[in-house]
Amino acid sequence: DGGITQSPKYLFRKEGQNVTLSCEQNLNHDAMYWYRQDPGQGLRLIYYSQIVNDFQKGDIAEGYSVSREKKESFPLTVTSAQKNPTAFYLCASSTHPAMNTEAFFGQGTRLTVV
Amino acid sequence: GENVEQHPSTLSVQEGDSAVIKCTYSDSASNYFPWYKQELGKGPQLIIDIRSNVGEKKDQRIAVTLNKTAKHFSLHITETQPEDSAVYFCASGGGADGLTFGKGTHLIIQP
Repeated sequence: DGGITQSPKYLFRKEGQNVTLSCEQNLNHDAMYWYRQDPGQGLRLIYYSQIVNDFQKGDIAEGYSVSREKKESFPLTVTSAQKNPTAFYLCASSTHPAMNTEAFFGQGTRLTVV
Repeated sequence: GENVEQHPSTLSVQEGDSAVIKCTYSDSASNYFPWYKQELGKGPQLIIDIRSNVGEKKDQRIAVTLNKTAKHFSLHITETQPEDSAVYFCASGGGADGLTFGKGTHLIIQP
């Protein structure tokens, strides 16, 4: 089955720790995206990548980092510099770098700082 | 940058009635307007989309209308059913930097 997979589904982090969220797709999509979702806030763009070994900051990139070493994978690291990391994180991919075709979303990772 | 406003934030309708959700956008260069449905604890799923060269699109009980002059677009769901209960997001974009989303509408279908 083709799709986009995020892991883990739930993640707990102690203050001061970095954590990495996984996102893998087998849809052969060029573009991948990370969004953050907070209650009543919709989805906000953290980082995006149009092609392997290239990525761009979105609207709320501070405190996050990404890599795109393989077409299939776009991991997101939430660093200790992110002041309010508790949120629902969504990864998406689309065929074309200009996101004007269907974007497929993963099932999300809920990150909680304890 | 692009700004998308979505209304209402919560919508409660009787089963079988119609539901309408409205969005406005600010960037006249936007040319792609998808609607997503998100069920609790899951990722959003595309339910319908429209491009700027079309004024209306329909898929069974779901339709979307677009007014480019006024920069607004709407989702219409007819003959609502309990499984339509979810959070719906509109979005705007078409460029390489992804989509800009509205804040969502929680649709409640009353039996």
